[in-house]
Amino acid sequence: GENVEQHPSTLSVQEGDSAVIKCTYSDSASNYFPWYKQELGKRPQLIIDIRSNVGEKKDQRIAVTLNKTAKHFSLHITETQPEDSAVYFCAASTGNQFYFGTGTSLTVIP
Amino acid sequence: GAVVSQHPSRVICKSGTSVKIECRSLDFQATTMFWYRQFPKQSLMLMATSNEGSKATYEQGVEKDKFLINHASLTLSTLTVTSAHPEDSSFYICSAETGRGYTEAFFGQGTRLTVV
Repeated sequence: GENVEQHPSTLSVQEGDSAVIKCTYSDSASNYFPWYKQELGKRPQLIIDIRSNVGEKKDQRIAVTLNKTAKHFSLHITETQPEDSAVYFCAASTGNQFYFGTGTSLTVIP
Repeated sequence: GAVVSQHPSRVICKSGTSVKIECRSLDFQATTMFWYRQFPKQSLMLMATSNEGSKATYEQGVEKDKFLINHASLTLSTLTVTSAHPEDSSFYICSAETGRGYTEAFFGQGTRLTVV
């Protein structure tokens, strides 16, 4: 089955700086890669996603890049704000099941 | 987006009792729902895939008799934790696919289960 690895597990950045979270996956059949933000005790919220036919996607301060050859994808958050502090999960899907990374706890220091 | 409602949000039960968690798709029909378990500060671990009208598909290591899943209609899947023990205490969360050409997973609010 699919194996998704995510790094780093914790990340602290100063407000205004950028944050980068990286994930790798193992199943070349995976074609959908969402990123979720989860606040404590709440459901994961989709923040951005990318499909395998696209190399990069941007939505305001958030961007995701995908390298299918290397089987890795990354989340980039620019101009970080304290409200960006949360746990972020990447996931990979073949369109059937989702497999999640281990999560990154992001802390934005005011 | 699609709305998935999960109930209850919190439940405390005694060891040995059973607890049922409901996952409903409110504005769409979900032929497939997924059940996850999440330990504190850890990722979502897929427990099983629930298919309407058929038996659930369990991930390796998940006890079928312990975690009973029923997907009796296109809008409802239930997870029953049977003979609960303290080690079953966790955050359980469901997600559903809309089947409308989207591959996005829509999550329920999650259920915090505490077994005492």
